[in-house]
Amino acid sequence: GAVVSQHPSWVICKSGTSVKIECRSLDFQATTMFWYRQFPKQSLMLMATSNEGSKATYEQGVEKDKFLINHASLTLSTLTVTSAHPEDSSFYICSARGRGESQPQHFGDGTRLSIL
Amino acid sequence: GQNIDQPTEMTATEGAIVQINCTYQTSGFNGLFWYQQHAGEAPTFLSYNVLDGLEEKGRFSSFLSRSKGYSYLLLKELQMKDSASYLCAVMDSNYQLIWGAGTKLIIKP
Repeated sequence: GAVVSQHPSWVICKSGTSVKIECRSLDFQATTMFWYRQFPKQSLMLMATSNEGSKATYEQGVEKDKFLINHASLTLSTLTVTSAHPEDSSFYICSARGRGESQPQHFGDGTRLSIL
Repeated sequence: GQNIDQPTEMTATEGAIVQINCTYQTSGFNGLFWYQQHAGEAPTFLSYNVLDGLEEKGRFSSFLSRSKGYSYLLLKELQMKDSASYLCAVMDSNYQLIWGAGTKLIIKP
């Protein structure tokens, strides 16, 4: 149980392109989803937290207009990196948590984004 | 401020036992998580402790002492596939997860 699917796994695109990443909870209802980014050999950095049906809460320093998050249902959240630039290249990982704030977060497989 | 400390790197031998420590200082406590992360992959959930004591799950065990702000992850009968980073994360009073930087575990034959 507690499977989270993230798609796509890899994206390579030109600078200025917008990229959408999907995160789905397959066998449970995810009331809260989280978006992280991770640079090589560094720890996870939380970008934003989203609750189903409400606006995402962004961490300090994360541009909400650049990283658009939508959590329209209990099983799907999307992250759109708008007008991506090379410095946005990173490993983006979503996680989902079921009902109950002390439930563990279950992670998707991550999306490796490379902007040329 | 909130702080999670764990060693940067550890080395152990296949078949042996290794203990990875984690100390924390957070505003409130609602549980401690351990995750495993292989290079280039996303973390996978290993364990959750909210009460003092030892939780055992197969070859992996996790211990918590809330009064000492301390936890450890114990890995027995080490296998080469256990080579990974192990992340300690504490849930604070706002139910926010505070992540440690991770301990890279290297297993040698």
